[in-house]
Amino acid sequence: SQTIHQWPATLVQPVGSPLSLECTVEGTSNPNLYWYRQAAGRGLQLLFYSVGIGQISSEVPQNLSASRPQDRQFILSSKKLLLSDSGFYLCAWSVTPDTQYFGPGTRLTVL
Amino acid sequence: GQSLEQPSEVTAVEGAIVQINCTYQTSGFYGLSWYQQHDGGAPTFLSYNALDGLEETGRFSSFLSRSDSYGYLLLQELQMKDSASYFCAAREDSSYKLIFGSGTRLLVRP
Repeated sequence: SQTIHQWPATLVQPVGSPLSLECTVEGTSNPNLYWYRQAAGRGLQLLFYSVGIGQISSEVPQNLSASRPQDRQFILSSKKLLLSDSGFYLCAWSVTPDTQYFGPGTRLTVL
Repeated sequence: GQSLEQPSEVTAVEGAIVQINCTYQTSGFYGLSWYQQHDGGAPTFLSYNALDGLEETGRFSSFLSRSDSYGYLLLQELQMKDSASYFCAAREDSSYKLIFGSGTRLLVRP
């Protein structure tokens, strides 16, 4: 069966510090991978998606970036965090875009 | 562009039936998905309708009418654990992107 991992579960970072969130998927090959952000009590905002190694599509121009160095690994990064980067970050995988499976998420607080 | 609209909040009594509606506007449409998210947790996939009609999965059913640009999620025999947020979602044209509605918060009362 397929499993998706995200870490860390929670993170508190100062403004201006770097960020690296990692997501890995097991039990499937060549999945579509996604990064979402969710503000408290709000919907899901798509940040990046990837259909293959090294292929990244950015949806929201901001100080975040994503990379897919391996087939089942997706990394979200920032060189300098802003207060507005706080939120719940969710990684998801899919075979077809309509059915996505989410990881447990990382709750990021930027102070 | 594409947008999905759903009520912000619905309240129902344990054991009852509740329907959560979703209307969409899109330049291209493949189907409607539904996700459940408990407070503090991650969304989980519930159902997907590509064709018109009703899809049933246990206590949950989902309906789609392409001609009306409308769908709904039906929850029967409500349980307290069904208290959660429910999101409808649709793919944008032929892309790999899934656009989510803003979510409906369901509160189940005893």
